[in-house]
Amino acid sequence: GAGVSQSPSNKVTEKGKDVELRCDPISGHTALYWYRQSLGQGLEFLIYFQGNSAPDKSGLPSDRFSAERTGGSVSTLTIQRTQQEDSAVYLCASSLVNDRGDEQFFGPGTRLTVL
Amino acid sequence: GNSVTQMEGPVTLSEEAFLTINCTYTATGYPSLFWYVQYPGEGLQLLLKATKADDKGSNKGFEATYRKETTSFHLEKGSVQVSDSAVYFCALTFTGGFKTIFGAGTRLFVKA
Repeated sequence: GAGVSQSPSNKVTEKGKDVELRCDPISGHTALYWYRQSLGQGLEFLIYFQGNSAPDKSGLPSDRFSAERTGGSVSTLTIQRTQQEDSAVYLCASSLVNDRGDEQFFGPGTRLTVL
Repeated sequence: GNSVTQMEGPVTLSEEAFLTINCTYTATGYPSLFWYVQYPGEGLQLLLKATKADDKGSNKGFEATYRKETTSFHLEKGSVQVSDSAVYFCALTFTGGFKTIFGAGTRLFVKA
């Protein structure tokens, strides 16, 4: 079956512009995560969605970042007024349920470059 | 606070050498522990996991044992191959929670 897909794969934008990054999780996966991976750094948790529950936004670095998940499936991460420090690879992952032992399946990521 | 610390890379080994990548954690409660691997040009994928103390996760010749007394989850392989060259991430998920904390990653180079 299809894995997690993300689009676009690469995005170059100018400082101050808004960008939208899309994630299509594996069908049937109720949990969806967004992470940011900066060059040479580990994964930084951004936001988590689980079913119809309120998302955990505790990892979002500023109010310029927001995310939504429509119909419990596709998710969009929006960054407003982008800054150069937002340049990173943005990873989406999904899992079957919110379980401490559940494997997360990762998408290929969107590489964002802010000029 | 809760965190994962893994040894800095890069680690460079010759083929068939023994590999250890250290990972230690601090966490409240009883987390599950994971090793994820990112091969060049590919996305992260689960390598192995352990959900309780003294469990041993294993896959593709890699092993890691959940040591509560030393709060460690070191990754080992007896004989590495060139194809094992990748970045390895140690991670934990909190009890009853969902936020996964990842280490900074350790890049492994294996020379033929």
